[in-house]
Amino acid sequence: IAGITQAPTSQILAAGRRMTLRCTQDMRHNAMYWYRQDLGLGLRLIHYSNTAGTTGKGEVPDGYSVSRANTDDFPLTLASAVPSQTSVYFCASSVNRDRNPYGYTFGSGTRLTVV
Amino acid sequence: RKEVEQDPGPFNVPEGATVAFNCTYSNSASQSFFWYRQDCRKEPKLLMSVYSSGNEDGRFTAQLNRASQYISLLIRDSKLSDSATYLCAVIRMDSNYQLIWGAGTKLIIKP
Repeated sequence: IAGITQAPTSQILAAGRRMTLRCTQDMRHNAMYWYRQDLGLGLRLIHYSNTAGTTGKGEVPDGYSVSRANTDDFPLTLASAVPSQTSVYFCASSVNRDRNPYGYTFGSGTRLTVV
Repeated sequence: RKEVEQDPGPFNVPEGATVAFNCTYSNSASQSFFWYRQDCRKEPKLLMSVYSSGNEDGRFTAQLNRASQYISLLIRDSKLSDSATYLCAVIRMDSNYQLIWGAGTKLIIKP
């Protein structure tokens, strides 16, 4: 693994089903994030975690949950998928410190279609 | 009004031309600034951090104007491969290091 790995890369999911999107990083970054990106709406933060064991809600958290049991993994769960959750999902990580010049590193995304 | 705003474009520019676009931010507590590039159906990738003194990387120059609260990206001698969406992002002192994103400017370089 180099950087952030997301799985699956794409998925078609029946409405009402439960699904977990996986995200793993090997950079020992303390902070991790889940975004969804929809055409014309840009990146919207779903949930974040500043450090292992803590999580927080972003701009659009409803219908999603996360956990951060360790530094490397940050799975995103859709408890009961709905068509409005059709989107591209990006996981990202960063080193949280002042004047961090490196910003975020992103995974390659999961393209989810809920039918 | 969004905290970070960009002209969505698209900017249609002939190959070899110089193109510039801005990103405005509304919160004066913003302290770190970035330009990301996103290719179609791909993840955003860091293009440049934007420093107070401005910075240059090859054909790309980024500037920060704190008084007017905007950052700019200048691309000289544009290439077909520069076609992408350019996202700006800022970190506020009180945002717990979270990036606040603009929606992106789409750039199309034409032969």
